[in-house]
Amino acid sequence: KQEVTQIPAALSVPEGENLVLNCSFTDSAIYNLQWFRQDPGKGLTSLLLIQSSQREQTSGRLNASLDKSSGRSTLYIAASQPGDSATYLCAVRLNGRTGANNLFFGTGTRLTVIP
Amino acid sequence: SAVISQKPSRDICQRGTSLTIQCQVDSQVTMMFWYRQQPGQSLTLIATANQGSEATYESGFVIDKFPISRPNLTFSTLTVSNMSPEDSSIYLCSVELQRDTEAFFGQGTRLTVV
Repeated sequence: KQEVTQIPAALSVPEGENLVLNCSFTDSAIYNLQWFRQDPGKGLTSLLLIQSSQREQTSGRLNASLDKSSGRSTLYIAASQPGDSATYLCAVRLNGRTGANNLFFGTGTRLTVIP
Repeated sequence: SAVISQKPSRDICQRGTSLTIQCQVDSQVTMMFWYRQQPGQSLTLIATANQGSEATYESGFVIDKFPISRPNLTFSTLTVSNMSPEDSSIYLCSVELQRDTEAFFGQGTRLTVV
């Protein structure tokens, strides 16, 4: 069974800092990996999707990397802003599980950016 | 991308009652999913809502407790039946425009059972 771990569980940084969120997974036979943002009590907003053949994806101040062989992904946030405060979730999709649940979520990192 | 409208956004319900959550998508999709997120936990898949056939439930979830409808390719409902305080969670609808591609989520329904 795929296990997805996100460390740290919570992180506080002053505004303007660059930061890295970590995601690790136990089964490297993944199809893709997706990073989400979740505001308190709300749904998930898709941030970045990385296919298994890719090493990284960028969107604005966000950069996600993927190292399948080591079972790791990172989400880099540049020049953090108070509006970035949210919980960040990573989700890993496994290969070859047609018709079955193949998307596994981490428990998230709760980020607070202090003005 | 897909835009998903989920209603209600939140509700407080009495134990023993039922709540139906609606999910409307702005495009036709084959795959629609219902998730539960208990307080402080990550997401757990409840079921896959299939158009034209019965939903496929994950281990630990049953149709009597979580009946699902999927009348067409843009709409689905999830009912939480005979609620207890343990059902207090965020319930989320999700779609994929094509299987195994990017997943999109609604804004969630925050349910509190008292």
